[in-house]
Amino acid sequence: NAGVMQNPRHLVRRRGQEARLRCSPMKGHSHVYWYRQLPEEGLKFMVYLQKENIIDESGMPKERFSAEFPKEGPSILRIQQVVRGDSAAYFCASGRDRNTEAFFGQGTRLTVV
Amino acid sequence: GENVEQHPSTLSVQEGDSAVIKCTYSDSASNYFPWYKQELGKGPQLIIDIRSNVGEKKDQRIAVTLNKTAKHFSLHITETQPEDSAVYFCAASKRISGAGSYQLTFGKGTKLSVIP
Repeated sequence: NAGVMQNPRHLVRRRGQEARLRCSPMKGHSHVYWYRQLPEEGLKFMVYLQKENIIDESGMPKERFSAEFPKEGPSILRIQQVVRGDSAAYFCASGRDRNTEAFFGQGTRLTVV
Repeated sequence: GENVEQHPSTLSVQEGDSAVIKCTYSDSASNYFPWYKQELGKGPQLIIDIRSNVGEKKDQRIAVTLNKTAKHFSLHITETQPEDSAVYFCAASKRISGAGSYQLTFGKGTKLSVIP
């Protein structure tokens, strides 16, 4: 049973470009969470999604960031017009339901140059 | 919102000794406390968790204790081995009534080094 798959593992974008990060949850998991980790910091919650629904986006910046989890395909975290401060590791986690533990992927390390 | 403080930020122990990492949380409604191990270049891996109706939980060399009154919980690793070297994160979670959210609030991490 494959774990949570994130791609790409590393992503370099110039300021002003768009970044698209993908997350395929574990088989049988329909709950997805995105977290951001800055250097030397813990993970910060961004958004919680179920299939076709955003449940909690209280940790998402109000502008430039969006997330989706379509009926088919991976969850996507989209960052428009990236800035240097967006450079971080972005982790996706998935769970069978909201009461069980979340399993993390290996992350996408975004570097904005 | 919830705030989780974690100490120490770095910890070095001799192989075979015990390691203890402590966390405090601010929201008395938090009811789930997982611990994650993160190795370099990898995602966090759940190693043990505890719910608020339990005071202690043990899994081989790893144990976690929870003091709800004082709002703190600790990770204990006994007979440490070099492969235990990693960054360890504590986290706390509160079920938000009606929203069904499951967001975790993480501590800033403890870098554990086990010296052979």
